Amino acid sequence: KQEVTQIPAALSVPEGENLVLNCSFTDSAIYNLQWFRQDPGKGLTSLLLIQSSQREQTSGRLNASLDKSSGRSTLYIAASQPGDSATYLCAAASGGSEKLVFGKGTKLTVNP
Amino acid sequence: DAGITQSPRHKVTETGTPVTLRCHQTENHRYMYWYRQDPGHGLRLIHYSYGVKDTDKGEVSDGYSVSRSKTEDFLLTLESATSSQTSVYFCAISGDTTYNEQFFGPGTRLTVL
Repeated sequence: KQEVTQIPAALSVPEGENLVLNCSFTDSAIYNLQWFRQDPGKGLTSLLLIQSSQREQTSGRLNASLDKSSGRSTLYIAASQPGDSATYLCAAASGGSEKLVFGKGTKLTVNP
Repeated sequence: DAGITQSPRHKVTETGTPVTLRCHQTENHRYMYWYRQDPGHGLRLIHYSYGVKDTDKGEVSDGYSVSRSKTEDFLLTLESATSSQTSVYFCAISGDTTYNEQFFGPGTRLTVL
């Protein structure tokens, strides 16, 4: 059974700092891995999807990497801004491309 | 934003009553999903659909049923609501052409008293 872990549960950084969020998964036979952002009281917004054959994906200040052999993915946020404050969730598509298993998220606070 | 709406957005009901939540999409995507989100548990898959009248169970399906009679609508029914089903429910969609990237609706907050 796939398990996805995100550490730390919460992170507080000053504005402008580059930061890395971590995601680990137990079963390397994943179809893809997806990173989401969730603002309080809102739904999830898809940030990046990395296919199992890819090593990384980039969108603006965000870069996500995938290392299946070590069961890890990272989300790198460059030059963080207060507007980046949110909970970031990773999810691995496992046991078929349609089933996502979610981590519990990292709550990021970027202080002005 | 993907065209996904959920109704109602908030509902308070009593134990033992039936409840139906609706998810509506305008993207013509094949897959639709229902998740629940709870503190300490994160997001968990309840049921999903891979086409009209084609559904399957997720991780936490007990006490829930679903139906999909049209591509655009996916209904989640709690036959007899219990307090343990108090949660935020999210609908999501995905299509075969985007490596099943999932897009989420705004959520329904359900309180069972």
